[in-house]
Parts: sequence; structure tokens; C-alpha cells
Amino acid sequence: QVQLQESGPGLVKPSETLSLICSVSGVSISSDVYYWGWIRQSPGEGLEWIGTVHYGESTYYSPSLKSRVTISMDTSKNQFSLRLTSVTAADTAVYFCARRPHYDILTGFDHWGKGTLVTVSS
Amino acid sequence: EIVLTQSPATLSLSPGETATLSCRTSQSVRNYLAWYQQRPGQAPRLLIFDASNRASGVPDRFSGSGSGTDFTLTITSLEPEDFAVYYCQPRSNWPSFGGGTKVQIK
Repeated sequence: QVQLQESGPGLVKPSETLSLICSVSGVSISSDVYYWGWIRQSPGEGLEWIGTVHYGESTYYSPSLKSRVTISMDTSKNQFSLRLTSVTAADTAVYFCARRPHYDILTGFDHWGKGTLVTVSS
Repeated sequence: EIVLTQSPATLSLSPGETATLSCRTSQSVRNYLAWYQQRPGQAPRLLIFDASNRASGVPDRFSGSGSGTDFTLTITSLEPEDFAVYYCQPRSNWPSFGGGTKVQIK
């Protein structure tokens, strides 16, 4: 079955770069049918969409984070990654990766990783 | 970017009652809206896609309706596991989330 797993450092210093990887199993991330996204949730807050990537199409980023975010894919490892530069305490959150089928199939992210907590602190 | 407004922020109900949650979008999304459930400490779970279609494995006490800018998620006969936070999200290349509605035990 489809599984997504986030990995990366749980602690990042202010002004440094946050880097996370999402490892996907059960489906190829290079499939035309699926898009791959990052979503985060600050402690006690709601969900914030960060960005979405698709093999062969444009990558879309949240306007509020666009200047600091890069999402890329490594199809040889069936992984996609998130880089967020110049982090501050406001970037402390649980980061989720998720799969979104093509909109011709359905609206929404239908498979999610369990999430990983990243704390920004010196 | 589409802005989503969910109401109420908190809903206090007893098991067995019916929950009615609202999501309004800043522009029409036709029927292209998803609803998610998030229990404490868990990842969100897709409940409803395209406004009214239940995702795989979702019990039929969950139903979605609406189109354009006004949408409703209804949960009939609340079970203990239904007390959670619910979010809506539109079809968009920039799919922001609503602020959420917490359904809590009264």
C-alpha cells in the first residue's frame, strides 16, 4: 500500500536551512497521476500548505513562503524534499508530506505521512 | 489565493448528536472542495472530496454538500472517535486550508 515517511533533523538553528525528505513507497513519484506536497502545522495551530510538486510540471509554492522554499524530486530514490531557508522560531512546526491525485480524479490529499516535528532554536 | 472561512471555530456536542460544519470560500470553487479530519497527534485524513464524495473507508454518517462558495460537512450520530478538528481545502494550484472547526465533547 502507499506509504509516506518524513525524515530529517528535529532541531534547526535560527537563520539556517531546514531540510526534510519524504520517502514514498507503493507508488512511483514520477507517475503522471500524482502530485506531492508539503504541509505544516505550528503547535496548537491549523494546517498550512507549503507547496506541491509534480514530475514534469511546475512546482507551486505558498505565496507567503515562496521566497524561502524549494521542493524537489529524486525519482531514483522515490523521494521528494523540502528546503526552507533562513528559518526563525515561527517555522517551528510538524511538517507533513502528502500525495494529491490529479484533480481529474479527486480534490484533496489522500495519503499523508505521520509528520515530523522540527523545532527552530539555538 | 482562495481564502476559506470555517465556522464555528468550536462546536460542543454530545455523542449521538449531529454536527453541522460550514466552510465558505472567497471565490467560487464550483464543487471542488475537500474536507479532512484530524485527531490529536495524528495526520489529517481525507474524509470528503469534490464536496460530497466520501473517501475510501469513511463511514456514511459523514456527508458533504454545497457548491460555489458555501459548503457543509454534516456528521450524524456522533461517535466518540469523531471528536476532532475538521478542515476544508479547495481545488487550486495554491490549496490553502480553512482555519478549522474543533468538534468537542459537551
